[in-house]
Amino acid sequence: GENVEQHPSTLSVQEGDSAVIKCTYSDSASNYFPWYKQELGKRPQLIIDIRSNVGEKKDQRIAVTLNKTAKHFSLHITETQPEDSAVYFCAASTGGFKTIFGAGTRLFVKA
Amino acid sequence: DVKVTQSSRYLVKRTGEKVFLECVQDMDHENMFWYRQDPGLGLRLIYFSYDVKMKEKGDIPEGYSVSREKKERFSLILESASTNQTSMYLCASSRGQGRDTIYFGEGSWLTVV
Repeated sequence: GENVEQHPSTLSVQEGDSAVIKCTYSDSASNYFPWYKQELGKRPQLIIDIRSNVGEKKDQRIAVTLNKTAKHFSLHITETQPEDSAVYFCAASTGGFKTIFGAGTRLFVKA
Repeated sequence: DVKVTQSSRYLVKRTGEKVFLECVQDMDHENMFWYRQDPGLGLRLIYFSYDVKMKEKGDIPEGYSVSREKKERFSLILESASTNQTSMYLCASSRGQGRDTIYFGEGSWLTVV
């Protein structure tokens, strides 16, 4: 069935460094790729998304890239800050009702 | 601002008990979802509903059922709770299909002893 693999499961960076989280998806019909951030004890919230007709999207310190040929997409966070510490989930959707989530990456930003 | 409210944040139930998890959304969204969150497994879809009284199985429906009698309310039911159902349960809603933002509730921590 459809699957989204996410790596790494845990990532620790120094404040100010960059962080990269990578995901691969199995369903070539996937055309929408959102990223959700879940801070400790809080609900997951959408932080950025990308559609399949775009290769890259930026929003301040975060960016997503998509390689449809390789079925691979990534989240890039630059100049990390302690408040970036959270669990990040990638996801893929074909536009139907089901969105498939990755297993999550726990990001620690050390001050 | 969209609000998805789960009535119970923390529950402890005994094996074999019937458990109800309630969820209400206030944005007139068509779609509602129940996910289960476990470490290392991400968010797995249990059931979803795209309209009142309509329900569809997700990826892990076994041991669960749902009810949607009103548009704003979606309930998850564990007919006979088991210890392997100890988990965090997240309710969510969205306006349209897969390209619309999914709005999550704050989660219900269920422990089955």
